[in-house]
Amino acid sequence: GNSVTQMEGPVTLSEEAFLTINCTYTATGYPSLFWYVQYPGEGLQLLLKATKADDKGSNKGFEATYRKETTSFHLEKGSVQVSDSAVYFCALSDPPGGTSYGKLTFGQGTILTVHP
Amino acid sequence: EAQVTQNPRYLITVTGKKLTVTCSQNMNHEYMSWYRQDPGLGLRQIYYSMNVEVTDKGDVPEGYKVSRKEKRNFPLILESPSPNQTSLYFCASSPGGETQYFGPGTRLLVL
Repeated sequence: GNSVTQMEGPVTLSEEAFLTINCTYTATGYPSLFWYVQYPGEGLQLLLKATKADDKGSNKGFEATYRKETTSFHLEKGSVQVSDSAVYFCALSDPPGGTSYGKLTFGQGTILTVHP
Repeated sequence: EAQVTQNPRYLITVTGKKLTVTCSQNMNHEYMSWYRQDPGLGLRQIYYSMNVEVTDKGDVPEGYKVSRKEKRNFPLILESPSPNQTSLYFCASSPGGETQYFGPGTRLLVL
């Protein structure tokens, strides 16, 4: 079945540092890939997504590239802010027609803390 | 405002006392899902629904029931809660099954 593996946290950075959170996946075919963010006390929000190989998703200075050859979707940001402190989840979904279409498979989440 | 709402947000109960967590969305989405979030495990799908009267099991359906009588509502029912169902629960909806929109969460403690 499908699975997602994220780098273990927590990750602690100083403001303006470079961020990478690694994500690799196992799936058949060509899943859609997502990064969701969960701010303290809130539900999950879609941060960015990519639906086919070599696509780059981007939002709020974050970006991730769908790498089929390495089955990866690493999240990056060039200069983090204190307000980026949150839990980040990598996830995948089968495309339409897939057996797991409509279901998100999540990684375990990575806690990011950014200090001033 | 487009949103997914859940009630209650916090609930403390005792083993065996039936409870229902409501979920409602105002975006006319066909897909709705329930997830539970546990430390170190990410989110796991409990049940999902592709449309009215169409539901199916997710990864961890044991001990839960759902119903989808109206498009906007998708309640989660725990007929006889147990302590291992203590968790943070999220409802989500989706227009086409991929990008999902999450509610604020319901934190449940079963004593």
